Amino acid sequence: DSGVTQTPKHLITATGQRVTLRCSPRSGDLSVYWYQQSLDQGLQFLIQYYNGEERAKGNILERFSAQQFPDLHSELNLSSLELGDSALYFCASSVMSVNTEAFFGQGTRLTVV
Amino acid sequence: GIQVEQSPPDLILQEGANSTLRCNFSDSVNNLQWFHQNPWGQLINLFYIPSGTKQNGRLSATTVATERYSLLYISSSQTTDSGVYFCAVAQGGSEKLVFGKGTKLTVNP
Repeated sequence: DSGVTQTPKHLITATGQRVTLRCSPRSGDLSVYWYQQSLDQGLQFLIQYYNGEERAKGNILERFSAQQFPDLHSELNLSSLELGDSALYFCASSVMSVNTEAFFGQGTRLTVV
Repeated sequence: GIQVEQSPPDLILQEGANSTLRCNFSDSVNNLQWFHQNPWGQLINLFYIPSGTKQNGRLSATTVATERYSLLYISSSQTTDSGVYFCAVAQGGSEKLVFGKGTKLTVNP
């Protein structure tokens, strides 16, 4: 158990819908990252928050947004879902924002039908 | 951006065999991690090893940062070692991990 908790584990939804994925980082970790793993793109960085502030942005679509709350948990919002958004979404956390080990949650498997 | 190449892409072993997985990266890095993704999809931390050598049981890893590669050694492999092994790196001042495409390991009984 990495200490990073993601909910839900599985999600099935229809095209055009909106979903929210939730992540609780390890105790004491200030930095939260979101990654997407799809068959064709592999594991890709989406976005990072550090102590409530957006820190870095990767290949995140405009239909996707995230935030980190004062209690440091984070949510990833995916809207206007398309079939191609089906993927495994991981949250990771680390103590600092750079040069530290990141620990990953179990992931949320999103299926868009 | 930085490129990460892992080899071999696929590896099939008999239980008890040893193996070496390689990760090459195209630029200097401040962070390098090895992960094992099990058949249930979970990413498990193996090593945080931007440089040097570490060992944990039957697994060990070496990163030669000046030559831009890292090696993961698995000895006396077990069926539970099956899965995909990923190498991921981050450059100085960058927070994001860039992942290789992974090595898919199958250990047969």
